[in-house]
Amino acid sequence: GAVVSQHPSWVICKSGTSVKIECRSLDFQATTMFWYRQFPKQSLMLMATSNEGSKATYEQGVEKDKFLINHASLTLSTLTVTSAHPEDSSFYICSARDRDTGELFFGEGSRLTVL
Amino acid sequence: AQSVTQLDSHVSVSEGTPVLLRCNYSSSYSPSLFWYVQHPNKGLQLLLKYTSAATLVKGINGFEAEFKKSETSFHLTKPSAHMSDAAEYFCVVSYNNAGNMLTFGGGTRLMVKP
Repeated sequence: GAVVSQHPSWVICKSGTSVKIECRSLDFQATTMFWYRQFPKQSLMLMATSNEGSKATYEQGVEKDKFLINHASLTLSTLTVTSAHPEDSSFYICSARDRDTGELFFGEGSRLTVL
Repeated sequence: AQSVTQLDSHVSVSEGTPVLLRCNYSSSYSPSLFWYVQHPNKGLQLLLKYTSAATLVKGINGFEAEFKKSETSFHLTKPSAHMSDAAEYFCVVSYNNAGNMLTFGGGTRLMVKP
């Protein structure tokens, strides 16, 4: 079946540094990818919609300068958490929509811990 | 507007007994409904989906769900729980399959006792 890969799956960084998380669709092309944030024992919260070749669309309350999203190709979107702080520690999950079938697939998630 | 409510944040069953995870939705339009499972520190895996075809939907790992429009419910069931079913389950409603139109329930943590 279709696979969406996230890398890294775990990352620990110091406060003030930036962290990049990659989301790749491995066997399909995705014009649209989505980034979610999940706090412990809570549901997923949509952060932004990433469109290939154009600017991301951010949900209300999500700082676009804090969470930089780039969707440079039909198989890759990246989320960069800039100047990370402990409150940015969370589980980040991406999903990708198959351009041909319209089906949505989720990545395995990336756990960010900011010290 | 659409919303989805998972009535139980935690459900505990014994191995081999039936599982019932409840979900109610509200939607102004004919919704698509999904159940996803999430194991610890993992992404979401689709269990099953309803998209206006048969009201009883069969999914993977023996799970099934029944769409009941009159009750605005989409409860998830399994006849016999297995230890490997212990996970977090999310009921999701959408007008379409676009990720920006998904509304997630709060999740139900299923615990399976030996």
